[in-house]
Amino acid sequence: DGGITQSPKYLFRKEGQNVTLSCEQNLNHDAMYWYRQDPGQGLRLIYYSQIVNDFQKGDIAEGYSVSREKKESFPLTVTSAQKNPTAFYLCASLEDRGPYPSGANVLTFGAGSRLTVL
Amino acid sequence: AQSVTQPDIHITVSEGASLELRCNYSYGATPYLFWYVQSPGQGLQLLLKYFSGDTLVQGIKGFEAEFKRSQSSFNLRKPSVHWSDAAEYFCAVGAFLGGATNKLIFGTGTLLAVQP
Repeated sequence: DGGITQSPKYLFRKEGQNVTLSCEQNLNHDAMYWYRQDPGQGLRLIYYSQIVNDFQKGDIAEGYSVSREKKESFPLTVTSAQKNPTAFYLCASLEDRGPYPSGANVLTFGAGSRLTVL
Repeated sequence: AQSVTQPDIHITVSEGASLELRCNYSYGATPYLFWYVQSPGQGLQLLLKYFSGDTLVQGIKGFEAEFKRSQSSFNLRKPSVHWSDAAEYFCAVGAFLGGATNKLIFGTGTLLAVQP
């Protein structure tokens, strides 16, 4: 079955360390996204990528970095510059067929990765 | 600026009772609206979406939502709630990022508890 795989599901990090969250999709989707979820704040966009070797900052990109070397992969690095990294991180993808109202414009989400900084 | 408001942070209903979760949006153009559901520690699953046409849309698991442009609302409803519906529900509006790519702007979520 096609889908999005995020790993690890749980991750603990000491302050000052960088950590990388993996996101892999086998849906052949063009666009990929990283969202951060905090209790009571909904989901906020960190980075997105429309095509390979291209990515753009979202609303809360500071302290994060990404790469898009392959269509199916979009890893997120949480750097030591991120002041409050403890959160639930969600990766998503979109079969980018252009602006709405294409029926293909629905985000598919992974199961998430929970990062805790000790 | 685009935004989504879910005024109810937490709702408790009895099993078998009806449910309505509120969602209000602010968006300058024609809105494209979504409801997602999230079980604890899991990703988000699409319940339903509104792009155009009939303002009453049907989704999975017996949910429906009604788009009311005059009220800028997209409330989610279910006539009879099951214990398995306990989860967090997110309303979202689609927004253009530029080019051909879109993003979702999410509300803060409504946590639904179901009493036996």
